[in-house]
Amino acid sequence: DGGITQSPKYLFRKEGQNVTLSCEQNLNHDAMYWYRQDPGQGLRLIYYSQIVNDFQKGDIAEGYSVSREKKESFPLTVTSAQKNPTAFYLCASSPGLADYEQYFGPGTRLTVT
Amino acid sequence: KNEVEQSPQNLTAQEGEFITINCSYSVGISALHWLQQHPGGGIVSLFMLSSGKKKHGRLIATINIQEKHSSLHITASHPRDSAVYICAVPHVTMNYGGSQGNLIFGKGTKLSVKP
Repeated sequence: DGGITQSPKYLFRKEGQNVTLSCEQNLNHDAMYWYRQDPGQGLRLIYYSQIVNDFQKGDIAEGYSVSREKKESFPLTVTSAQKNPTAFYLCASSPGLADYEQYFGPGTRLTVT
Repeated sequence: KNEVEQSPQNLTAQEGEFITINCSYSVGISALHWLQQHPGGGIVSLFMLSSGKKKHGRLIATINIQEKHSSLHITASHPRDSAVYICAVPHVTMNYGGSQGNLIFGKGTKLSVKP
């Protein structure tokens, strides 16, 4: 089945540790995105990538890093510099940028204590 | 940057009722998205529309480009429709008038349909 997978579904970390969230797609999509969702707020864009080896900062990129070494994979690292890392993280992909339907993964709920 | 406003924030309905969720945006767009988020967190795309109306089963989405407004309707609502419904529009850069390719999301409308 084609789709997007994120792992793990729940993740717990101690403050000060970096953590990497996985996102894989087998839809052959060029564009991939990372969003963060907090209670009562809309999804906010962290990073997006239009093509392999290229990515752009979104609205809230501080404290996060990404890589796009393969078309299928777009991992997100939450670094210790992110002040409020506890959130629900969603990965998405689309055939290209702009005016394409986005396909979402199931999300990873990260809790940092 | 485009601003997206949804109303209402919360909506409770009885099974069978006709539901309307509204979305307004501030900058002209090429297409608008309606998404559904289930209690577990997963999001699915319901519609992407640029004009007129689209229908899928009991769901109908309409858009008025001139008024910068879209509505999502659910006919004969059912408890399994209970979810958060999210409106999203492309991020338009005002300087160049082009889309950056990512979406800007409304805060969502939480719908609860009681049996």
